[in-house]
Amino acid sequence: NAGVTQTPKFQVLKTGQSMTLQCAQDMNHNSMYWYRQDPGMGLRLIYYSASEGTTDKGEVPNGYNVSRLNKREFSLRLESAAPSQTSVYFCASKRGGGGGAPHEQYFGPGTRLTVT
Amino acid sequence: SQQGEEDPQALSIQEGENATMNCSYKTSINNLQWYRQNSGRGLVHLILIRSNEREKHSGRLRVTLDTSKKSSSLLITASRAADTASYFCALNGQLTFGSGTQLTVLP
Repeated sequence: NAGVTQTPKFQVLKTGQSMTLQCAQDMNHNSMYWYRQDPGMGLRLIYYSASEGTTDKGEVPNGYNVSRLNKREFSLRLESAAPSQTSVYFCASKRGGGGGAPHEQYFGPGTRLTVT
Repeated sequence: SQQGEEDPQALSIQEGENATMNCSYKTSINNLQWYRQNSGRGLVHLILIRSNEREKHSGRLRVTLDTSKKSSSLLITASRAADTASYFCALNGQLTFGSGTQLTVLP
């Protein structure tokens, strides 16, 4: 049981380049989330998917797109990377179907992205 | 705001001492969760307390909840160097986290 896995672990992009961050979970969870964490800050929600086939914007969605490919996988795409998107990106999953369900979130190890 | 605010921002103690950190919030809640984040890692769930509970224990962790004051506290007893981490609270399993409390346990 690997939990939540993310690829890649590290990435350096030039301004304007695009890339997709991959996330997969093997816990049969309904909900999946993408967060970013800037140095010394808490996590900010980018997008989430309460169930397969649905996605919703979080607090900071601009500059990102997501795809809930199936129940296991939730990808985050940067179409045209900007230096302001330099951050650590975390994927998480939760058993419950809604944001208010009292279930814990399980987090992946993170992707460290630098945009120059 | 659906976000809890942790206090203090930073806390430094000696190994073996107790560490207390607090979370205040403004909305009504069904439950409150505490998470730990070791440096450079993802968050790990520690404990969940429901709104009808006043206190909950898990190993060296003790969480209290005062819904009248809209606050919760996390107590770590007999701290260890391995407890050095950032601690966050989350409301109702909600999707936002504050800036956390950075705990440093000195050997």
